Amino acid sequence: DGGITQSPKYLFRKEGQNVTLSCEQNLNHDAMYWYRQDPGQGLRLIYYSQIVNDFQKGDIAEGYSVSREKKESFPLTVTSAQKNPTAFYLCASSTTGLSNQPQHFGDGTRLSIL
Amino acid sequence: AQTVTQSQPEMSVQEAETVTLSCTYDTSENNYYLFWYKQPPSRQMILVIRQEAYKQQNATENRFSVNFQKAAKSFSLKISDSQLGDTAMYFCAFMKGREETSGSRLTFGEGTQLTVNP
Repeated sequence: DGGITQSPKYLFRKEGQNVTLSCEQNLNHDAMYWYRQDPGQGLRLIYYSQIVNDFQKGDIAEGYSVSREKKESFPLTVTSAQKNPTAFYLCASSTTGLSNQPQHFGDGTRLSIL
Repeated sequence: AQTVTQSQPEMSVQEAETVTLSCTYDTSENNYYLFWYKQPPSRQMILVIRQEAYKQQNATENRFSVNFQKAAKSFSLKISDSQLGDTAMYFCAFMKGREETSGSRLTFGEGTQLTVNP
């Protein structure tokens, strides 16, 4: 079955530590996205990528970094510069071009501070 | 920039009854799409229904339908014959109409927590 796999499901970060969240998709989608979800605030866009080796900042990119070396993979690194990283992180993917196809989402990663 | 507002943080409904969730948005775009996503306790995001702005006819998917009022920038979701499995957080989302090589960046509302009571 095609889909989006996020790992790990739960992740803990120590002070001053960088952590990387994995997102892999086998839907052959060109575009991939990272969202952060806090209670009562909905989803906010961190970074997105429309093609391999290219990505753009979303609304809350500070303290985060991404890479897009392969079409299937879009890992998110939460750096020590992100002072409030505790949240639920969702990865999504979609087609590009003249289509109204919506985004498909992974099951998310919950990040907490130790 | 686009904004999406859901003014009802929480709602409840009795099983088998009908409930309407509200959503308003602000945009200067003329070509766009609107979506309702459902997020049950499992936290998985599930697409419920979508509407193209250029279509005047309201979208319908089984028990789910929308009331799309383009001039008022309103996009409400009606759930008929509510079921216990409808209990979830519901998010309204906006997407600009795509250019040839662009993806589908979504702007989400804050969400409405719907509880269906037996």
